[in-house]
Amino acid sequence: EVQLVQSGAEVKKPGATVKISCKVSGYTFTDYYMHWVQQAPGKGLEWMGLVDPEDGETIYAEKFQGRVTITADTSTDTAYMELSSLRSEDTAVYYCATVSRGTTYLDYWGQGTLVTVSS
Amino acid sequence: QSALTQPASVSGSPGQSITISCTGTSSDVGGYNYVSWYQQHPGKAPKLMIYDVSKRPSGVSNRFSGSKSGNTASLTISGLQAEDEADYYCSSYTSSSTSHYVFGTGTKVTVL
Repeated sequence: EVQLVQSGAEVKKPGATVKISCKVSGYTFTDYYMHWVQQAPGKGLEWMGLVDPEDGETIYAEKFQGRVTITADTSTDTAYMELSSLRSEDTAVYYCATVSRGTTYLDYWGQGTLVTVSS
Repeated sequence: QSALTQPASVSGSPGQSITISCTGTSSDVGGYNYVSWYQQHPGKAPKLMIYDVSKRPSGVSNRFSGSKSGNTASLTISGLQAEDEADYYCSSYTSSSTSHYVFGTGTKVTVL
């Protein structure tokens, strides 16, 4: 059974950095790209970026470019999303989700991690 | 990259059929057969319902179907059930220089 288990909720001050983990099991980590999606309270989904665990290559949405870093650790089958220079608008649930090579759809999702940015 | 346009809400009675539209451009919906649909219940992660415009993942009810015409994709739910009440999002691969994927604005489906 494929599982993506994310780290717990975080509370951060404006200007700080948050790093969220997404540990996978039930499949070969390098067979899927790992994507990250943001969902602000009461709002829709927004694609942030992806990492190819096989070689570490990343693609980021322009909106988050320069503030987001997505990495993958093949020794622990864990992906990470780090967001810096946090502001109140970054308060959101962040999801990791997989995309199988050769496809374009997000088939497996983590449970989500709530990040609250507040002074 | 602007979000794909969906109606804010759609409602129907149990047993009825409803259709949710998802309008994009030739750079996303119209340019590729890579439209997918996700169902999200409150407090839960999204769930893949349709991929590649009209394909259903294993385990998804055949009451859900997808189609596309030009720059607009559609999700139809037939035989509406109480458990179908949720938010639905479309998504598409995009050739935009500012993003790789784009989601729709989301549609709240209410079962009357």
